[in-house]
Amino acid sequence: EPEVTQTPSHQVTQMGQEVILRCVPISNHLYFYWYRQILGQKVEFLVSFYNNEISEKSEIFDDQFSVERPDGSNFTLKIRSTKLEDSAMYFCASSGLSSRNEQFFGPGTRLTVL
Amino acid sequence: ILNVEQSPQSLHVQEGDSTNFTCSFPSSNFYALHWYRWETAKSPEALFVMTLNGDEKKKGRISATLNTKEGYSYLYIKGSQPEDSATYLCARNTGNQFYFGTGTSLTVIP
Repeated sequence: EPEVTQTPSHQVTQMGQEVILRCVPISNHLYFYWYRQILGQKVEFLVSFYNNEISEKSEIFDDQFSVERPDGSNFTLKIRSTKLEDSAMYFCASSGLSSRNEQFFGPGTRLTVL
Repeated sequence: ILNVEQSPQSLHVQEGDSTNFTCSFPSSNFYALHWYRWETAKSPEALFVMTLNGDEKKKGRISATLNTKEGYSYLYIKGSQPEDSATYLCARNTGNQFYFGTGTSLTVIP
């Protein structure tokens, strides 16, 4: 069964460093998403991506964040200069033809900023 | 921000009991409502996507209803089993942006 994969499973970084979180969505899906969950809080939407561009982004997704689909299979989230408050579980998801289709989530990357 | 609320926050039921919980959301500009099942140490798994007022969907012992006019959805589990223990999340999407509830944590006691 196709699945969304994410790497790494856990990333530890120093404050101010850049991190890139990687995701491989399901191959025939068209919509891609990044979410985060800070420990003990709600899952928060960061960004949705369709047709090689951002379709929507939340207030959280400021200039420190960027997304890219560099090669037709990977979907990356970059945080340019990490802050302590960026520590969270980051989930990638993909869905088929529209955002009304089921979303398939990856296993997540736990980001710890020291 | 369009708040999605879920209740109760947590629930303990005996094996074999049926149970239900609620997701409420602002009814304006409705696009779709998603239900997920999230087991500990795994990623959320899609259960249902509901789009029309009056929708009812079923998957095995789990079913859901949707009322977009009053802004709520119910998730029902019939004859709960220990393997149903998980957090059940709902999320409302407005186009391509999603708003999640905090989830209902269900524990089924054997």
